[in-house]
Amino acid sequence: GAVVSQHPSRVICKSGTSVKIECRSLDFQATTMFWYRQFPKQSLMLMATSNEGSKATYEQGVEKDKFLINHASLTLSTLTVTSAHPEDSSFYICSATEGDINQPQHFGDGTRLSIL
Amino acid sequence: GQNIDQPTEMTATEGAIVQINCTYQTSGFNGLFWYQQHAGEAPTFLSYNVLDGLEEKGRFSSFLSRSKGYSYLLLKELQMKDSASYLCAAMDSNYQLIWGAGTKLIIKP
Repeated sequence: GAVVSQHPSRVICKSGTSVKIECRSLDFQATTMFWYRQFPKQSLMLMATSNEGSKATYEQGVEKDKFLINHASLTLSTLTVTSAHPEDSSFYICSATEGDINQPQHFGDGTRLSIL
Repeated sequence: GQNIDQPTEMTATEGAIVQINCTYQTSGFNGLFWYQQHAGEAPTFLSYNVLDGLEEKGRFSSFLSRSKGYSYLLLKELQMKDSASYLCAAMDSNYQLIWGAGTKLIIKP
């Protein structure tokens, strides 16, 4: 149980392109979804927290107009990297929790984004 | 400030036991999580401790001391597939996870 699907797994695109990443909870309703960014050999950096039907809460330093998050349903959240540039290249990972907020986060497989 | 400390890298031998330590300082505390992350993959949940003591789950055990702000992950009968990074994360009073940088565990035959 508690499977989170993230798509696509890898994206390579030109600078200036907008990229959408989907995160779905397959067998549970996700009360909260999280978006992380991870640089090589570093830990997870939380970008934003989203709850279904409400605006995402962004961490300090994360541009909400650059990283658009839409949590349209209890099983789907999307992250759109708008007008991506090479410095946006990274490993983006979503996670979701079911029920109480102190429940474990279940992670998607991640999306490796490379901007040329 | 809030902080998580864990060793950067550890090496152990196949079949042996290894203990990965984690100390934390958070504003309030709502539990301590351990995750395993293989290179290039997303983390997978291993354990959650909120009360003092040892939680055993197969070859993996996790210990928590709230008074000391300390946890460890114990891996027994090490297998080559256990080579991965192990992330410690503490949940603060706002239910935010504070992540450690991870401990890279290298298993040698």
